[in-house]
Amino acid sequence: IAGITQAPTSQILAAGRRMTLRCTQDMRHNAMYWYRQDLGLGLRLIHYSNTAGTTGKGEVPDGYSVSRANTDDFPLTLASAVPSQTSVYFCASSLTGGNTGELFFGEGSRLTVL
Amino acid sequence: GQQLNQSPQSMFIQEGEDVSMNCTSSSIFNTWLWYKQDPGEGPVLLIALYKAGELTSNGRLTAQFGITRKDSFLNISASIPSDVGIYFCAGRIQGAQKLVFGQGTRLTINP
Repeated sequence: IAGITQAPTSQILAAGRRMTLRCTQDMRHNAMYWYRQDLGLGLRLIHYSNTAGTTGKGEVPDGYSVSRANTDDFPLTLASAVPSQTSVYFCASSLTGGNTGELFFGEGSRLTVL
Repeated sequence: GQQLNQSPQSMFIQEGEDVSMNCTSSSIFNTWLWYKQDPGEGPVLLIALYKAGELTSNGRLTAQFGITRKDSFLNISASIPSDVGIYFCAGRIQGAQKLVFGQGTRLTINP
């Protein structure tokens, strides 16, 4: 089934460790996004990429980095995890960039930083 | 900061009841979207609205793009157990590319 695959599904991590959340899509969408979901705050955009080779900062980019070497993959890296980065992370994609809506989401990666 | 106010935050209803939720903002939007998130899953698009006043249905779901372009509502008629989940509004502010999300409405249905 076509769609977005995220890995890992869940992870417990010690503070200060480096972590990369993986995201792959097979829909040949141009744009990809990373959101974090926290209780009472909805979904907040971390970073986005309108097309392969380009990235941009979202609403809450600090402590996170991304890369977009090709159309299909959009990994999110926490260089040195902190407890406030405990959250559920969703990768999403859309056919066109500009964050214009109609996003397709992965199933999420639950990250706990101790 | 948060630019969308979604209400109510939670709803507890009986099966068969109709449901209504809405999102409001002080900003003007040119796109409104409604998503549903099942437990342990990512959000899934239900309805997309692109014009002020637009009224769109998807089965038992109906959503409208407010005429002022600052609000949108979602109605669910004759609720069933599988309607349980978190509903999110999302919108694109006029002149901006960023999509902003509401805080979500958690729907619980008593059989």
